[in-house]
Amino acid sequence: DSGVTQTPKHLITATGQRVTLRCSPRSGDLSVYWYQQSLDQGLQFLIQYYNGEERAKGNILERFSAQQFPDLHSELNLSSLELGDSALYFCASSVDAATNEKLFFGSGTQLSVL
Amino acid sequence: AQSVTQLDSHVSVSEGTPVLLRCNYSSSYSPSLFWYVQHPNKGLQLLLKYTSAATLVKGINGFEAEFKKSETSFHLTKPSAHMSDAAEYFCVVSDTSGTYKYIFGTGTRLKVLA
Repeated sequence: DSGVTQTPKHLITATGQRVTLRCSPRSGDLSVYWYQQSLDQGLQFLIQYYNGEERAKGNILERFSAQQFPDLHSELNLSSLELGDSALYFCASSVDAATNEKLFFGSGTQLSVL
Repeated sequence: AQSVTQLDSHVSVSEGTPVLLRCNYSSSYSPSLFWYVQHPNKGLQLLLKYTSAATLVKGINGFEAEFKKSETSFHLTKPSAHMSDAAEYFCVVSDTSGTYKYIFGTGTRLKVLA
């Protein structure tokens, strides 16, 4: 068990809808990362937060947004969903924002857009 | 810009034989390098990391990797494969230029034959 909790584990929704994915980082970790994993794109970095502030942005679509709350949990909001958004979404956390730190991954949220 | 290339998308070995998963990186700075493993329906778990200390890095479950700057490689090895090693393996380079990104390779799926 990595200590990172993601909910829900599975989500099935329709095109055009909006969903929220939730991540609770490991106790004491200040940095949260979101990744999208799909068969054709591999593991894509979406966005990173550190202690409530956005720190880095990757290949995140404008339809997607995220935030990190004062209690350090994070939410990834996906709107106007398309079939191509179906993927496994991972959250990871680390102690701080340094890029030589170990990442701890949650078990992911499997999103299916029908 | 930094990048990472995993040279094999699939590798098959027999149980008890050596494992070699190849990774080449490109980096303008002194990189931090990682190997992560993903078992089916699980999140990613760190196997080992290199951060400019010893060039031979020992990880969990008998895996090790050697950093070779002249070859820009960070290949993952294990002397004797076990059935439980069947999984997907990701080589990761960190962006130490200040953009706080971890860059993932496309993954190598390891199959272990009985």
